[in-house]
Amino acid sequence: GESVGLHLPTLSVQEGDNSIINCAYSNSASDYFIWYKQESGKGPQFIIDIRSNMDKRQGQRVTVLLNKTVKHLSLQIAATQPGDSAVYFCAEQREYSGGGADGLTFGKGTHLIIQP
Amino acid sequence: DAMVIQNPRYQVTQFGKPVTLSCSQTLNHNVMYWYQQKSSQAPKLLFHYYDKDFNNEADTPDNFQSRRPNTSFCFLDIRSPGLGDAAMYLCATSRQGQGSEQYFGPGTRLTVT
Repeated sequence: GESVGLHLPTLSVQEGDNSIINCAYSNSASDYFIWYKQESGKGPQFIIDIRSNMDKRQGQRVTVLLNKTVKHLSLQIAATQPGDSAVYFCAEQREYSGGGADGLTFGKGTHLIIQP
Repeated sequence: DAMVIQNPRYQVTQFGKPVTLSCSQTLNHNVMYWYQQKSSQAPKLLFHYYDKDFNNEADTPDNFQSRRPNTSFCFLDIRSPGLGDAAMYLCATSRQGQGSEQYFGPGTRLTVT
């Protein structure tokens, strides 16, 4: 079936460097994409989202890029800090006319490790 | 300040013994979701309620049921837990179905002995 997946299970970066986490999705009908951060023992925390009619969206220290041509989503984190260490999941959602939507389909996750 | 509350945080149950996990929200959101997350895996949607309308995922086992008696509360019932049901169970809410941020609770970690 269609799914959302990540290329790398673990990413290690130096504190202060920028990091990029990638995600490939296969459901061309997806309308909405989200990045979540999950720390150990906690529920996922929303980071940033993007709709399918956009290709870039910026937040505080984070940027999400969407390339619908190759079905690729990425999360860029600028000037990484120790608190950025966590597992990052991409997720996608398909929407229906009338306001309904599927639940989220999550990718496998990338463990981001920030080295001092 | 807690917006999505899950109780208990840790639950131990015996093989085959029914168990209920609870979720409550202070956000007055229309949609409530239940996800299952096994160790080192991504959350997997079990079902969700849009108001009172129940939406079951096609591959959710019949062993899993849900109830939403009112806007604020939603329950996950596991009728006969097996060892394979040991996981973190996450509740989430959103204001509406489309393009709406989902807020997750801290989860309940279920152990089956």
